Amino acid sequence: QKEVEQDPGPLSVPEGAIVSLNCTYSNSAFQYFMWYRQYSRKGPELLMYTYSSGNKEDGRFTAQVDKSSKYISLFIRDSQPSDSATYLCATLAVFTGGGNKLTFGTGTQLKVEL
Amino acid sequence: GAVVSQHPSWVICKSGTSVKIECRSLDFQATTMFWYRQFPKQSLMLMATSNEGSKATYEQGVEKDKFLINHASLTLSTLTVTSAHPEDSSFYICSASALRETQYFGPGTRLLVL
Repeated sequence: QKEVEQDPGPLSVPEGAIVSLNCTYSNSAFQYFMWYRQYSRKGPELLMYTYSSGNKEDGRFTAQVDKSSKYISLFIRDSQPSDSATYLCATLAVFTGGGNKLTFGTGTQLKVEL
Repeated sequence: GAVVSQHPSWVICKSGTSVKIECRSLDFQATTMFWYRQFPKQSLMLMATSNEGSKATYEQGVEKDKFLINHASLTLSTLTVTSAHPEDSSFYICSASALRETQYFGPGTRLLVL
């Protein structure tokens, strides 16, 4: 079992739709949860990160973490064609001594169509 | 803020030659830098973690003699692919971290070994 599971998609939605992207993780030691956006042939861009269970909102993006079920989500409201990209969830366990290794999901490819 | 650059953005080389890729944090000092590789339609795989002034820590299965990492300063890390072969062709991405929980990624370097 992978430590972070993510449906690779592709996911295709019409412009203006609400997009829901999800990941599950298995290691309860993970403390931080990130969402990265990666356009084709580019490096990942950090969208949001959260520490605790609950919601965090930034513009059209909302990140949600439920530690009890080990489930993390990213919601995109009023989706735009420019949101078309691969979205990677990532988790982080911070160890004594300063280690901070990210564990990535496989990424979900999103296409927002006009 | 938090800009990471990579150079070159793409490189084509002959089998058996060595290739050096630079990763720079432009507007912050990175205590830790990470090197990843990514194959088409797959997620990022961590190759190694490096802290300024110390030896890199390689992930299991990554040959340290083939992928030489030097972290000379708080803003520069280099990855040298020695005696490159076609199977080393990939997308190499670095990231830099100042805070333990946040990594900022470079734009990536596409390597093609003929």
